[in-house]
Amino acid sequence: DAKTTQPPSMDCAEGRAANLPCNHSTISGNEYVYWYRQIHSQGPQYIIHGLKNNETNEMASLIITEDRKSSTLILPHATLRDTAVYYCIVSPQGGSEKLVFGKGTKLTVNP
Amino acid sequence: DVKVTQSSRYLVKRTGEKVFLECVQDMDHENMFWYRQDPGLGLRLIYFSYDVKMKEKGDIPEGYSVSREKKERFSLILESASTNQTSMYLCASSLTTDYGYTFGSGTRLTVV
Repeated sequence: DAKTTQPPSMDCAEGRAANLPCNHSTISGNEYVYWYRQIHSQGPQYIIHGLKNNETNEMASLIITEDRKSSTLILPHATLRDTAVYYCIVSPQGGSEKLVFGKGTKLTVNP
Repeated sequence: DVKVTQSSRYLVKRTGEKVFLECVQDMDHENMFWYRQDPGLGLRLIYFSYDVKMKEKGDIPEGYSVSREKKERFSLILESASTNQTSMYLCASSLTTDYGYTFGSGTRLTVV
């Protein structure tokens, strides 16, 4: 079973920041938080991951609370192409760990 | 960029047929995975492999087998296809989770 809880759906206006929350209250000390997204009819795409520090890359920012029990993925300027299902996953880092996907959040970016 | 290529985008097979789904990655990744995705059930792991000739069962291996004879290729085999195996099948590979998984575009299999 997935170890994360996400809202089933969210809406965002084009050009505004999209903030997607994720609860992972049972996260272990060696587990990272990963975010993927899946645009309709495509395979999931890796976005970002982090352990306890905030992370930023060209796609998004990841904010992890100090107690690590929750996190927020931020898309700073959402576009229509960001409409997708976003998955928050916790997993140990190491490359051979299988990822367990939950139901994710369906983000709809509106014009 | 890493590419994970799945041989077919759409497949239609008959009940009882033996079905091969092929997946090839071009970045020398050790780890490869097969998932299936169904509405309301999300992505579920079928099998994965850490290295050539190695395989591990995922959460739903029943009715499936896999083959990894070469590092770049990971095949999913449906020994005797059944209608409940109609699904979207997704292959992924990873070097380490530092870079996340790279997924293929998926194969939508219909068993009639």
